[in-house]
Amino acid sequence: AQSVAQPEDQVNVAEGNPLTVKCTYSVSGNPYLFWYVQYPNRGLQFLLKYITGDNLVKGSYGFEAEFNKSQTSFHLKKPSALVSDSALYFCAVTKGGGSYIPTFGRGTSLIVHP
Amino acid sequence: EAGVAQSPRYKIIEKRQSVAFWCNPISGHATLYWYQQILGQGPKLLIQFQNNGVVDDSQLPKDRFSAERLKGVDSTLKIQPAKLEDSAVYLCASSLGRQIEAFFGQGTRLTVV
Repeated sequence: AQSVAQPEDQVNVAEGNPLTVKCTYSVSGNPYLFWYVQYPNRGLQFLLKYITGDNLVKGSYGFEAEFNKSQTSFHLKKPSALVSDSALYFCAVTKGGGSYIPTFGRGTSLIVHP
Repeated sequence: EAGVAQSPRYKIIEKRQSVAFWCNPISGHATLYWYQQILGQGPKLLIQFQNNGVVDDSQLPKDRFSAERLKGVDSTLKIQPAKLEDSAVYLCASSLGRQIEAFFGQGTRLTVV
């Protein structure tokens, strides 16, 4: 069965510093990987995805993520954090080329301090 | 473009009562998902439709939960009878295809007392 792990419940970073939100996955075959963000009282919003191709993918609001097949990781990064980036971030995986049943991680709360 | 619409936003019911949630996906989106999100956890897929056919319902508690997607557009999710552990946010999402990113509604927060 496929699974996603987000090992940190909370990440704290100062505004202007780089941020990383970690995600590791387990799936048979090639993965489709996604990052979503959830602001308070809002639905989940798509940030970026990896399907195939370049291991470094760029998404909305200056976020990027690097697919690492050997480490089965898909960490979310941003060079310079903003206070407005404070939100709940979810990593999700689905199996490429087969059944498309999305599995989400439990989420990581990102807090950016002024 | 209009987003995924869900109603109601909030619902409080007593255990053993029934409840229904409605979802209107983005126009043209063939794939529709219902998720259950319990506080402190990530969304858990309950059922996935492709047009009006069920693709996966392996995690749907079929003894009490049911869902349908009429004419491949709107969808309803029903719980009957509700249990205390059904308290959660129920999210509807839609996408152009099953391997493409999904657009989520704001969800329905269900409290069972």
